[in-house]
Amino acid sequence: DSGVTQTPKHLITATGQRVTLRCSPRSGDLSVYWYQQSLDQGLQFLIHYYNGEERAKGNILERFSAQQFPDLHSELNLSSLELGDSALYFCASSPGVNTEAFFGQGTRLTVV
Amino acid sequence: GQQVMQIPQYQHVQEGEDFTTYCNSSTTLSNIQWYKQRPGGHPVFLIQLVKSGEVKKQKRLTFQFGEAKKNSSLHITATQTTDVGTYFCAALSTSGTYKYIFGTGTRLKVLA
Repeated sequence: DSGVTQTPKHLITATGQRVTLRCSPRSGDLSVYWYQQSLDQGLQFLIHYYNGEERAKGNILERFSAQQFPDLHSELNLSSLELGDSALYFCASSPGVNTEAFFGQGTRLTVV
Repeated sequence: GQQVMQIPQYQHVQEGEDFTTYCNSSTTLSNIQWYKQRPGGHPVFLIQLVKSGEVKKQKRLTFQFGEAKKNSSLHITATQTTDVGTYFCAALSTSGTYKYIFGTGTRLKVLA
């Protein structure tokens, strides 16, 4: 158990809908990262928050947004969903930046 | 943009054989991390290398960072079935925004 909690574990939704994925980092970790992993693909970096502030953006679509709250948990919002958005979405946390990251179990999103 | 390539993409070995995966970057890296993802699982941090020419060992695993800090390797001696999974390297973006670019991964299968 990495100590990073992601909910829900599975999500099935229709095209055009909006979903919210939630991540609770390990206690004390200030950084939260979001990654997308499509079937048999690598990990695509989406966004990084540190202590409530956005630090870096990767290949995140405009339909996607995220935030980190004062209690350091984070949410990833995906809207106007398309079939191609079906993937595993991982959240990871780390104590700071440039340190080892601990990954959650992921949320498997299926868009039908 | 910064790219991190891993070779090979797939590797099948007989149990007891050695295995090596290579990670190559088009630019000089600040540091490099290695992760292992078991089938159906989430990435798990293995190690971080920072210094030019650094070599670190973890039991049967040997990690090396190139002298020019543009490449890295992971070598497993005498593979076991428990080594099955995908091995990713992750390089810190040199753009200063602290985002990790994951390599394409090497999927290892160990035949008993």
